[in-house]
Amino acid sequence: DAGVTQSPTHLIKTRGQQVTLRCSPKSGHDTVSWYQQALGQGPQFIFQYYEEEERQRGNFPDRFSGHQFPNYSSELNVNALLLGDSALYLCASSPSLTGFSYEQYFGPGTRLTVT
Amino acid sequence: QKEVEQDPGPLSVPEGAIVSLNCTYSNSAFQYFMWYRQYSRKGPELLMYTYSSGNKEDGRFTAQVDKSSKYISLFIRDSQPSDSATYLCAMSEGGSGYSTLTFGKGTMLLVSP
Repeated sequence: DAGVTQSPTHLIKTRGQQVTLRCSPKSGHDTVSWYQQALGQGPQFIFQYYEEEERQRGNFPDRFSGHQFPNYSSELNVNALLLGDSALYLCASSPSLTGFSYEQYFGPGTRLTVT
Repeated sequence: QKEVEQDPGPLSVPEGAIVSLNCTYSNSAFQYFMWYRQYSRKGPELLMYTYSSGNKEDGRFTAQVDKSSKYISLFIRDSQPSDSATYLCAMSEGGSGYSTLTFGKGTMLLVSP
């Protein structure tokens, strides 16, 4: 089992550009959540996808959007990049059990640097 | 006031010491409490999970939750240099299928040989 995989590992972009990050969930998981982790901070919830729909969203602007594909993989898109978007972007997958699942497995993250 | 408060450290201890890591929170709806370990430039790894109040032990690790005080702790016995990492507490209200987590800032732990 490969666990949660993310690509690319690192990315450098210029202010105003757009970026797409990708995530493949752990085998057997169909729910994907995205988090932003700024340097020295804990991860902050961006949004969660289940059945190809955004199920919950954190306090992030519309510049952040996502998508989930039928194979449960997911993309995070960020438009009009700002310097403050520089962070480690983490993908977490979990099974869609009824009730809360503590089984959130995180990928290694994509480190985005905006210059 | 942030929902979850955690001292960022760093916390430096000698090998073999007992380590105590703590978080406080303000949202009384939190029911699920997790501790994650994160090595430098890696994703968080789930260490311990506790539902509601009480203690849970797993090897050298013990997690405690006191909901009346809104205070959770992670104890590490016989600490090892390989325990050097950032420890993140995380919490959730739970609910039907929603697994979003609210994290603390993380405490950096350094265990010296």
